[in-house]
Amino acid sequence: GAGVSQSPSNKVTEKGKDVELRCDPISGHTALYWYRQRLGQGLEFLIYFQGNSAPDKSGLPSDRFSAERTGESVSTLTIQRTQQEDSAVYLCASSGGIFGEQFFGPGTRLTVL
Amino acid sequence: AQTVTQSQPEMSVQEAETVTLSCTYDTSESDYYLFWYKQPPSRQMILVIRQEAYKQQNATENRFSVNFQKAAKSFSLKISDSQLGDAAMYFCAYRSAFINNQGGKLIFGQGTELSVKP
Repeated sequence: GAGVSQSPSNKVTEKGKDVELRCDPISGHTALYWYRQRLGQGLEFLIYFQGNSAPDKSGLPSDRFSAERTGESVSTLTIQRTQQEDSAVYLCASSGGIFGEQFFGPGTRLTVL
Repeated sequence: AQTVTQSQPEMSVQEAETVTLSCTYDTSESDYYLFWYKQPPSRQMILVIRQEAYKQQNATENRFSVNFQKAAKSFSLKISDSQLGDAAMYFCAYRSAFINNQGGKLIFGQGTELSVKP
């Protein structure tokens, strides 16, 4: 596609449920990033994938968070046993340019009731 | 660890006027990139401008320009001839130039909400 896409656009879930968020990067981009943006805050780095290398998981806030990416394609971010503090917008970005500019998707707004 | 600080939570500008958004950062690295991103209510993060730390010349993109002061670790964004469509949240971001160092992740400031008055 022309840009990074994410689904769903919005997700409302009950506390304790698992959720999966999907990101489709720009074709050909080798790097993929997940960020979290709490209301009125800046973006917090969660996880980074580069090609077939081991992902950098240093930003994941707890072991309830995990992510996968197959090759240089789609990535899924999974949050298990969701808590109210997980409510946020989850943004995905992909990168492939010389300067590493990151191009962002529209995000998924997650609301945990 | 690198940090980015935006000390202005909110700014306001009259249409057609000029406004400057402030950003400071802290790093021990000598080579890095700095970015300004715009986030309108649609949530879409849009890259506004990029500055390479090794370049002394300030970056310019149409009505947007930066004042990059490397020694002071300051990176402000100037918007000239402000338009209603410029109203958005603006984020300053830092990225190491060394991909092997932190993988190129962006470190963001807290953002500045810009409103444009007609």
